[in-house]
Amino acid sequence: EVQLVESGGGLVKPGGSLRLSCAASGLTLSNALMTWVRQAPGKGLEWVGHIKSENDGGTTDYAAPVKGRFSISRDESKNTLYLVLNSLQTEDTAIYYCTTPNVGGIAFDNWGPGTMVTVSS
Amino acid sequence: DIVMTQSPLSLTVTPGEPASISCKSSQSLLHVDGYNYLDWYLQKPGQPPQLLIYLGSYRPSGVPARFRGSGSGTDFALKISRVEAEDVGVYYCMQALQTPRTFGQGTKVEIK
Repeated sequence: EVQLVESGGGLVKPGGSLRLSCAASGLTLSNALMTWVRQAPGKGLEWVGHIKSENDGGTTDYAAPVKGRFSISRDESKNTLYLVLNSLQTEDTAIYYCTTPNVGGIAFDNWGPGTMVTVSS
Repeated sequence: DIVMTQSPLSLTVTPGEPASISCKSSQSLLHVDGYNYLDWYLQKPGQPPQLLIYLGSYRPSGVPARFRGSGSGTDFALKISRVEAEDVGVYYCMQALQTPRTFGQGTKVEIK
């Protein structure tokens, strides 16, 4: 069974940085498409970005609002996914979820509980 | 980017009655492989989203048979044959054809 647990959220000032983690079990990160999705308070779901499996090149893609400020990486030794958030803006305030398909799939079968990021002065 | 438009944005349903949500995409989601790259998610209050339907009409194991996805190209629908109290939450469609993935605005379903 795949389990994902995010951590690292908190309160940060505008312009600040944060690193979110997503600890994975039940799957090998390097073999998975790993995605970050966020949800601002009272709003809908927004795709943030993903890192492809090594078989698919291991490349990253980002949504336009975060491109150049956010960065996704993974540590295979720790089976952990990261999202580094730089130059944070108040609009980045949201719950951040990591999600991944089951093996062989493309839909988001597995989700973590999320971690809250609040950007405020 | 592909724009996803859901309707209605809210729905109040009597238990045991059917419900239907529409999702339209600004571009066709039909891939050359014959599949429609459209997924449906339900987010229950205080929880992360959960997958209900993938590739337009396929139900993952564990999802009740009362949930049915249909449609092709740019027009899709999620139908609940008989709504139960546990079905309350916000339903989202999402296109998985292109990056960036994009979601519909969400449809909030409440029980009468």
